[in-house]
Amino acid sequence: RKEVEQDPGPFNVPEGATVAFNCTYSNSASQSFFWYRQDCRKEPKLLMSVYSSGNEDGRFTAQLNRASQYISLLIRDSKLSDSATYLCVVNTGTASKLTFGTGTRLQVTL
Amino acid sequence: NAGVTQTPKFQVLKTGQSMTLQCAQDMNHNSMYWYRQDPGMGLRLIYYSASEGTTDKGEVPNGYNVSRLNKREFSLRLESAAPSQTSVYFCASTLNEQFFGPGTRLTVL
Repeated sequence: RKEVEQDPGPFNVPEGATVAFNCTYSNSASQSFFWYRQDCRKEPKLLMSVYSSGNEDGRFTAQLNRASQYISLLIRDSKLSDSATYLCVVNTGTASKLTFGTGTRLQVTL
Repeated sequence: NAGVTQTPKFQVLKTGQSMTLQCAQDMNHNSMYWYRQDPGMGLRLIYYSASEGTTDKGEVPNGYNVSRLNKREFSLRLESAAPSQTSVYFCASTLNEQFFGPGTRLTVL
């Protein structure tokens, strides 16, 4: 079983739609969780950290369910510019070593 | 601040050639990392350095060596390149969030 698993997609959604991605992780000792965004042929960039209480940043909401070991990302009112690959990332606690999922590709269309 | 910089951006090698990928950060971060990214595999950690003077193996260290030259610089060396090392290589540094360099696209023929 992979340490971090994501549906690779692609998710094709129209502009204005709401889309949700889930990610599961296998290590119950994982300490911190993140969503990164990666545009084609670019480096990953932090989108948001994920806190136990859930957190929101504009149109983006992240949730963590420790009991079920999954993380979610909800994007409301999708924009064309949201088209990218979204990486689920888990820190298992040693030397800030991160484990990356393979990413979920989102394509927002007119 | 330039953030994390990497050189070169692109490189083509022949099997058996050697090269060093350079990485530098100007954010005074203690920890630095080298990843490779392949289609369908996600980012995989090659080596990391938790602080100046220390380096440790990651998930896929075979065929690579690293040097943490000082706090700013962390280089990755391929002593004898193989086609399986064709990939995109990212360097990163962290305080809490990991910041990535723009990547090096390496092709080994």
